Amino acid sequence: GNSVTQMEGPVTLSEEAFLTINCTYTATGYPSLFWYVQYPGEGLQLLLKATKADDKGSNKGFEATYRKETTSFHLEKGSVQVSDSAVYFCALSEVRGGYQKVTFGTGTKLQVIP
Amino acid sequence: GAGVSQTPSNKVTEKGKYVELRCDPISGHTALYWYRQSLGQGPEFLIYFQGTGAADDSGLPNDRFFAVRPEGSVSTLKIQRTERGDSAVYLCASSQDREGEQYFGPGTRLTVT
Repeated sequence: GNSVTQMEGPVTLSEEAFLTINCTYTATGYPSLFWYVQYPGEGLQLLLKATKADDKGSNKGFEATYRKETTSFHLEKGSVQVSDSAVYFCALSEVRGGYQKVTFGTGTKLQVIP
Repeated sequence: GAGVSQTPSNKVTEKGKYVELRCDPISGHTALYWYRQSLGQGPEFLIYFQGTGAADDSGLPNDRFFAVRPEGSVSTLKIQRTERGDSAVYLCASSQDREGEQYFGPGTRLTVT
């Protein structure tokens, strides 16, 4: 079956540091890949996505590239802010049984300190 | 516009009791999903509705869990004879159609004492 593996947290960075959160996946077909973010006390929000190999998703300074050869979708940001502190989930989806079935990783907590 | 809403935001119940969790999807969204997020884990799929029918309930852990969506809009997740292991955040998501992007609600945190 499908699975997503992401680096364990928590990750603690100073403001303006470079961020990488690793994510690799296993899928039987050709999934779409996502990063979701969950801010404290809020619901999951879609951060960015990529639907095919070599696509780059980007939003709010974050970016991730769909790498089929390494089955990876690492999240990066050049300069993090305190407001980026949240839990980040890597996910994949495939159309299974006629609908988008989403599989999530376990999440990586990011804490950015001033 | 209004997003997905869930009520209650928190629910504390005693072991053995019955609970109902409610989800109001985005207006017009035909697809609705329930997920369970245990502490330190990512959301895990429970059930998917297309319209009024449960098209895939393969993620429901056992027959104590049941969900309905009688009019194709609001959905209720029902848990009978709750156990401490049921404690988790229950998330609801909706999408415009069965292949569209899923929008998540804030979740209901269920604690079984």
